[in-house]
Amino acid sequence: TQLLEQSPQFLSIQEGENLTVYCNSSSVFSSLQWYRQEPGEGPVLLVTVVTGGEVKKLKRLTFQFGDARKDSSLHITAAQPGDTGLYLCAGGALGANSKLTFGKGITLSVRP
Amino acid sequence: KAGVTQTPRYLIKTRGQQVTLSCSPISGHRSVSWYQQTPGQGLQFLFEYFSETQRNKGNFPGRFSGRQFSNSRSEMNVSTLELGDSALYLCASSLDGGETQYFGPGTRLLVL
Repeated sequence: TQLLEQSPQFLSIQEGENLTVYCNSSSVFSSLQWYRQEPGEGPVLLVTVVTGGEVKKLKRLTFQFGDARKDSSLHITAAQPGDTGLYLCAGGALGANSKLTFGKGITLSVRP
Repeated sequence: KAGVTQTPRYLIKTRGQQVTLSCSPISGHRSVSWYQQTPGQGLQFLFEYFSETQRNKGNFPGRFSGRQFSNSRSEMNVSTLELGDSALYLCASSLDGGETQYFGPGTRLLVL
């Protein structure tokens, strides 16, 4: 069974601060996705990374896939209240179409 | 392009009843996956349908079933509802079973 552990579980910060959160596994994934979910809604895809060591930027968000494709990090620069939400990482299993393994998520609260 | 739609958005049932949830994927997407999300377990994979065939299945009891129609719309059914089935049920579609999936807003099921 492939498991994804996300840390920290909860994070409350002030607007303008920087933060980094993590998604770790002992398993290798073919790809890794990050989603943001707001209360009462479904997860919204932020990014997909597929190559070990890959770095992708989405405005103030920077995503990195580990060299061994077992872990990923998300860095947010100058967090804003609109960044508040549940951040989920999901790994694509090698050779198993559409079967994503999700972490339990990181609840981020950005205070104005 | 319209996103993934799910109906109904909210549902209240009592123990022992059965329920059917519906999902319409993004136009052109042939793969539909279903997930159960609870605060304690996070997002857990139920099953995936591709071209009307179940291609992947998670570790859920047989009370959970699904099907997909020729227009790619999908339904999932839960029979003999239990209190523990209370959750947000999410469906996600992808073009051809790839790992990048797009989620609907979910159906919130409450079992009393």
